[in-house]
Amino acid sequence: GAGVSQSPRYKVAKRGQDVALRCDPISGHVSLFWYQQALGQGPEFLTYFQNEAQLDKSGLPSDRFFAERPEGSVSTLKIQRTQQEDSAVYLCASSYQQGLMNTEAFFGQGTRLTVV
Amino acid sequence: GQQLNQSPQSMFIQEGEDVSMNCTSSSIFNTWLWYKQDPGEGPVLLIALYKAGELTSNGRLTAQFGITRKDSFLNISASIPSDVGIYFCAGQGVGNEKLTFGTGTRLTIIP
Repeated sequence: GAGVSQSPRYKVAKRGQDVALRCDPISGHVSLFWYQQALGQGPEFLTYFQNEAQLDKSGLPSDRFFAERPEGSVSTLKIQRTQQEDSAVYLCASSYQQGLMNTEAFFGQGTRLTVV
Repeated sequence: GQQLNQSPQSMFIQEGEDVSMNCTSSSIFNTWLWYKQDPGEGPVLLIALYKAGELTSNGRLTAQFGITRKDSFLNISASIPSDVGIYFCAGQGVGNEKLTFGTGTRLTIIP
């Protein structure tokens, strides 16, 4: 497809369960970002990849959160032992680079995670 | 995590009215961006500002990058029904790829 694709769109997990959220960025986009958006809030940065390299993971809230992008394309955000406070929409965005600058980041529709 | 201060939190207006919202930060940013988010969708970029003092228009939308680099505003003229949604500002620092978003302004048009 032409845009950033995220799956699943909705995920309900029991507390303590592990989940994996997938992001397919726009083809050719070097940079990939994950954001967490709690209900009624703006998105908050989690982590950033340039190709397969994770350059910034300062926003990951705990060591239960792990992200990877092994081949520099598809990325997976994994949350271990989910807690109720993990309930949020997880947004993925991608952009390509012109020189040293990232261009506009395009967002996917997000995955809504509900932990019960 | 840090979120920028955005006001107003919500607006109820009639079709055809002009709208103004702003965003302030305690930190300096090199780039200011304005996004619109519809229910169940990701944010979509409306306007990007790259220089302090810059005033940029995109159709009925006008945005400015504050001189102090710590604030920005967005104006929408002659609002129409499709303007309904949540508007977010976002700042990007020097050499810092991540975006810091505002708390959002929810725009509702009263029939």
